[in-house]
Amino acid sequence: GNSVTQMEGPVTLSEEAFLTINCTYTATGYPSLFWYVQYPGEGLQLLLKATKADDKGSNKGFEATYRKETTSFHLEKGSVQVSDSAVYFCALSDRGTPLVFGKGTRLSVIA
Amino acid sequence: DAGVIQSPRHEVTEMGQEVTLRCKPISGHNSLFWYRQTMMRGLELLIYFNNNVPIDDSGMPEDRFSAKMPNASFSTLKIQPSEPRDSAVYFCASSSLQGWEKLFFGSGTQLSVL
Repeated sequence: GNSVTQMEGPVTLSEEAFLTINCTYTATGYPSLFWYVQYPGEGLQLLLKATKADDKGSNKGFEATYRKETTSFHLEKGSVQVSDSAVYFCALSDRGTPLVFGKGTRLSVIA
Repeated sequence: DAGVIQSPRHEVTEMGQEVTLRCKPISGHNSLFWYRQTMMRGLELLIYFNNNVPIDDSGMPEDRFSAKMPNASFSTLKIQPSEPRDSAVYFCASSSLQGWEKLFFGSGTQLSVL
């Protein structure tokens, strides 16, 4: 079946550090890929998405590129801020099926 | 729009009691999803509805769990009887059929079964 694997957290970084959160997927078809973010005490919200190979999704300084050859969709940000502290979820949807989420990676950014 | 509204925010109950979680989706959204979040298993899809009709309930863990959507603006998730292993955060999310991949989540219900 379809699945998503994320790097285990927590990840702790200093402000302005570079961020990478790894995500790989398994899918029978040709899925769309997503990153969702969950701020403390809130529900998840869509951060960015990519629907085909080599697409780059971007939002709020975050980027992720759909790599079909490595079945990956790693999340990156060049300079993190304290306000980026949250839990980040990688997800996929294959041919319109409901989203399948990874377990989430907690990011803590310290000043 | 107020977004997806869930109630209660927190629920503490004793084993064996009935628990009802409520959700009001965003007006105009056609799809509604119930997810459960735990440390061990992450975010699991329990059931989803399209146009008030249950489409897939294969994620519902046991017969103790049931969900209804009597109209486009209201859904419930019921656990009867509740057990300590049901303790988790339960999220409701909605989306439009045109923008199905963009889910709008509620703030969740933190359930503790003692």
